Amino acid sequence: EVKLLESGGALVQPGGSLRLSCEASGFTFGGDVMTWVRQAPGKGLQWVSSISGSGATIYYADSVKGRFTISRDNSLNTQYLQMNSLRVDDTAIYYCAKGAGRGQLDYWGQGTLVTVSS
Amino acid sequence: QLTQSPSTLSASVGDRVTISCRATQGLSGWLAWYQQKPGQAPKLLIYAASTLERGVPSRFSGSRSGTEYTLTINGLQPEDFATYYCHQYSTYPYTFGQGTVLEIK
Repeated sequence: EVKLLESGGALVQPGGSLRLSCEASGFTFGGDVMTWVRQAPGKGLQWVSSISGSGATIYYADSVKGRFTISRDNSLNTQYLQMNSLRVDDTAIYYCAKGAGRGQLDYWGQGTLVTVSS
Repeated sequence: QLTQSPSTLSASVGDRVTISCRATQGLSGWLAWYQQKPGQAPKLLIYAASTLERGVPSRFSGSRSGTEYTLTINGLQPEDFATYYCHQYSTYPYTFGQGTVLEIK
């Protein structure tokens, strides 16, 4: 059974930093693209970043480029999202999702809440 | 860019409903549909425009005509009232539609 478990969400002040983790199980972690998607309170889904199975290829949304860093440790079956220079509009539930096939997201974690507020 | 419509849809149990997602450029069929219920993560329903994800009931179907993609639900069930999103994964940056809230009439 595929499981994705996010952690690391918290209340942080504007300008602060946070690192999210997503621990995966139930599949060959190193073989799949992993993705972060966020959802601001009461809003729709927004793609944040994706990383290839090897970690060699990375993509970011313009809104987080230069502030967020995605990474993965295949020996720990875990992906990360390092978030720096956080802004109020980064407040959201952050979901970890597993890519499949050409890029659809076939499994999602339950999300972790990041609140940026003074 | 994806334009999803309608933003809200009212329907009754047993109805047939359609949700549209229009892309501003060709996606070569690389479009998925997700269902999200309150307090839950999204769930993949359809990928590659028309392929049903394993375990998803056959009352859900997807189709494509050019750059317009459609999610159809035949015979709405009470558990189908939720929010639906389209998602293009043809090119990065990935994008999602704005969402359609399917509510009980």
